[in-house]
Amino acid sequence: DSGVTQTPKHLITATGQRVTLRCSPRSGDLSVYWYQQSLDQGLQFLIQYYNGEERAKGNILERFSAQQFPDLHSELNLSSLELGDSALYFCASSVGASGWGDTQYFGPGTRLTVL
Amino acid sequence: AQSVTQPDIHITVSEGASLELRCNYSYGATPYLFWYVQSPGQGLQLLLKYFSGDTLVQGIKGFEAEFKRSQSSFNLRKPSVHWSDAAEYFCAVGAPDDMRFGAGTRLTVKP
Repeated sequence: DSGVTQTPKHLITATGQRVTLRCSPRSGDLSVYWYQQSLDQGLQFLIQYYNGEERAKGNILERFSAQQFPDLHSELNLSSLELGDSALYFCASSVGASGWGDTQYFGPGTRLTVL
Repeated sequence: AQSVTQPDIHITVSEGASLELRCNYSYGATPYLFWYVQSPGQGLQLLLKYFSGDTLVQGIKGFEAEFKRSQSSFNLRKPSVHWSDAAEYFCAVGAPDDMRFGAGTRLTVKP
């Protein structure tokens, strides 16, 4: 158990809908990272938040957004869902901002299925 | 641009046999390299990482990796594989806020 929690474990929804994925980092970790893992794209970094502020952006679509709240939990919002958004979404956390020297701890993931 | 190639999609080894998983990277500067393992239904767990210094890195669960700059490689090794090592292994390069992962190598362990 990494100490990172993600809810829900599974999510099934229809095209055009909007969903919210939630992540609670390990106690003491200030950075939260979101990743998408799909069969065709592999594992991709989406976005990082550090202590409530957006820190870095990866291959995140404009239909997707995230935020980190004062209690450090984070939410990833996916809107206007398409079939291709079906994937496993991971959250990871680490202590610092840049991550260098830090260890990222991954949550178990949320499996999103768009029908 | 940085990238990672894991040439082997699937490897099968017998329990007790040695293991080497290959990873080649492309990176403009000094690479920061990682190996992660993903068991079915689980998130990724960091096995080991290389930032600088000794090119032979020891990790958890008896794994080690060797950084070879001349070959742009960071291969993962284990002298004796256990059935519980069956999983998917990912090599990655870069900073956590710009991490590039390989496509993964699925390891099957035969009894």
